[in-house]
Amino acid sequence: QVQLQESGPGLVKPSETLSLTCIVSGGSISSYYWSWIRQPPGKGLEWIGYIYYTGSTNYNPSLKSRVTISVDTSKNQFSLRLNSVTAADTAVYYCARHQEAGYGSSFDYWGQGTLVTVSS
Amino acid sequence: SYELTQPPSVSVSPGQTASISCSGDKLGNKYTCWYQQKPGQSPLLVIYQDTKRPSGIPERFSGSNSGNTATLTISGTQAMDEADYYCQAWDSATVLFGGGTKLTVL
Repeated sequence: QVQLQESGPGLVKPSETLSLTCIVSGGSISSYYWSWIRQPPGKGLEWIGYIYYTGSTNYNPSLKSRVTISVDTSKNQFSLRLNSVTAADTAVYYCARHQEAGYGSSFDYWGQGTLVTVSS
Repeated sequence: SYELTQPPSVSVSPGQTASISCSGDKLGNKYTCWYQQKPGQSPLLVIYQDTKRPSGIPERFSGSNSGNTATLTISGTQAMDEADYYCQAWDSATVLFGGGTKLTVL
């Protein structure tokens, strides 16, 4: 059974960089696409971006200038960096696996989510 | 930019059929999937590729997609189905979510 676990600081100061890691267990990170998705408190889901195990990425245009997603296949994990954060970036951040490769896929496995608060 | 529109809320009586819509321009030409999210939990995939149910999802969950609207249907709705539901599709190689629908079973 594939499991995903997000980790990282729960509190980030405004203008600084949010960094999270998703550790994949129970399966290989290879041959799949992986995404980061966030959900502000009391609001809906917002896709941040995805990475293929080869390192190929694609980002939400609204966040593209501030986002970097990377992968470390040797550690079976992938990471998110979001710079110049503001209070609007406060959210539960989820990592998730794409069910199929490429365009049109859904997310079949999700992490439990981690709340990141942006505050001084 | 492409948008997916869902009604904010839907109410249904126990045992009845609930229908949740998701609308977008020519949505029927795209694959749509649906997630169920209960308070404090991660989203759970309940329908993918318009009509398919993942293993373990009850048969009372079904989906359709035609024209500009995709629909999630829950037949014989149970109290445990009360949750937020989100549709999801792709456009121009990016992932889109609908705004979510709160299903109340009363």
